[in-house]
Amino acid sequence: KAGVTQTPRYLIKTRGQQVTLSCSPISGHRSVSWYQQTPGQGLQFLFEYFSETQRNKGNFPGRFSGRQFSNSRSEMNVSTLELGDSALYLCASSLGQYNEQFFGPGTRLTVL
Amino acid sequence: AQTVTQSQPEMSVQEAETVTLSCTYDTSENNYYLFWYKQPPSRQMILVIRQEAYKQQNATENRFSVNFQKAAKSFSLKISDSQLGDTAMYFCAFMNTLTTSGTYKYIFGTGTRLKVLA
Repeated sequence: KAGVTQTPRYLIKTRGQQVTLSCSPISGHRSVSWYQQTPGQGLQFLFEYFSETQRNKGNFPGRFSGRQFSNSRSEMNVSTLELGDSALYLCASSLGQYNEQFFGPGTRLTVL
Repeated sequence: AQTVTQSQPEMSVQEAETVTLSCTYDTSENNYYLFWYKQPPSRQMILVIRQEAYKQQNATENRFSVNFQKAAKSFSLKISDSQLGDTAMYFCAFMNTLTTSGTYKYIFGTGTRLKVLA
């Protein structure tokens, strides 16, 4: 089976712009979670989607949003980018809540 | 609120030696899951080991084992016979079980960077 894929792998944006990141889960996985990884904060949970519905949400401002499509692929959008949004954004998929999460390689976002 | 603390930002160990990574957590819940994930340099994060809180027996996966102390809310990872390929960032994670509201939390610690020395 193909693993979790994320596109693009690298992004450079400027403050005020918006960005969309994409995640394709492992075939058959219906749960997709997004995390922000920074050196000082570790992994911070953004949100989780299951069957096209946002089931859980972390403590991030409304500039961070996401969605999931019927094929379980998910996108994450960040609007009005700030310098502090520079991070590695990880996507993880799983069969369900109590199952192992499989992580993608991440998208490294740099905001200038 | 649940928290996960990894108090060792960096550690090093000689090849073939044993090393223990610490993790403590805070929760008022009785049922939950604990995980250790490994993130090698420039590579994807993978699950190392998981522990269900209702199980008293410590989980073991080959050279990796945990010391789960539920009362002390401690979940340390022991790596035996350390190998160069064990060099990575290790994250401890907590996940509660589904609440009546249908939500759950997946919380990671800030990580411990482990370097295995030849």
